[in-house]
Amino acid sequence: EPEVTQTPSHQVTQMGQEVILRCVPISNHLYFYWYRQILGQKVEFLVSFYNNEISEKSEIFDDQFSVERPDGSNFTLKIRSTKLEDSAMYFCASRPGANVLTFGAGSRLTVL
Amino acid sequence: EDQVTQSPEALRLQEGESSSLNCSYTVSGLRGLFWYRQDPGKGPEFLFTLYSAGEEKEKERLKATLTKKESFLHITAPKPEDSATYLCAVQANGGSQGNLIFGKGTKLSVKP
Repeated sequence: EPEVTQTPSHQVTQMGQEVILRCVPISNHLYFYWYRQILGQKVEFLVSFYNNEISEKSEIFDDQFSVERPDGSNFTLKIRSTKLEDSAMYFCASRPGANVLTFGAGSRLTVL
Repeated sequence: EDQVTQSPEALRLQEGESSSLNCSYTVSGLRGLFWYRQDPGKGPEFLFTLYSAGEEKEKERLKATLTKKESFLHITAPKPEDSATYLCAVQANGGSQGNLIFGKGTKLSVKP
């Protein structure tokens, strides 16, 4: 069964460092998303991406965050200068035209 | 403000002991309600989508129902492999497709 692949599975970084989280969505999907889940809290929407541009973003997705689809397969989330509160599990998701998201296994980010 | 509340936070069942999980929602127009299963360290896995009050969906031991204010996930004769966190999410009129508002989840433990 097709799946969304995320790398790395776990990244530890120092506060203030830049981090790039990578995702390979399902190949025939058109819409891409990033969500995050702080430990013990809800899964929260960050951003949606379609046709090579951001279609919607939440209040969490401030200027420190950016997304990119650099080629036909990868979808990346960049955090320019990490803060302690950015520590969370980051989930990439994708969907075809239908309204069901398929999530990846997540990338755990630990900011020290 | 759009909101999703799940109860109970945690539920312990004996194998074969049926029960229900609740998801109450307050949204400015419901476009869809979703149930996901999340295993530890993994991303949410899609179970059901419900769109209108009175709708029901079934899959193996799980049955999801929807009213105008809440949804129930009924688990019939659960097995230990049903142990997971069950997440409810809604898509509201104000958000784009794929912008889901999640509840905190119900952590289900089924003991043999």
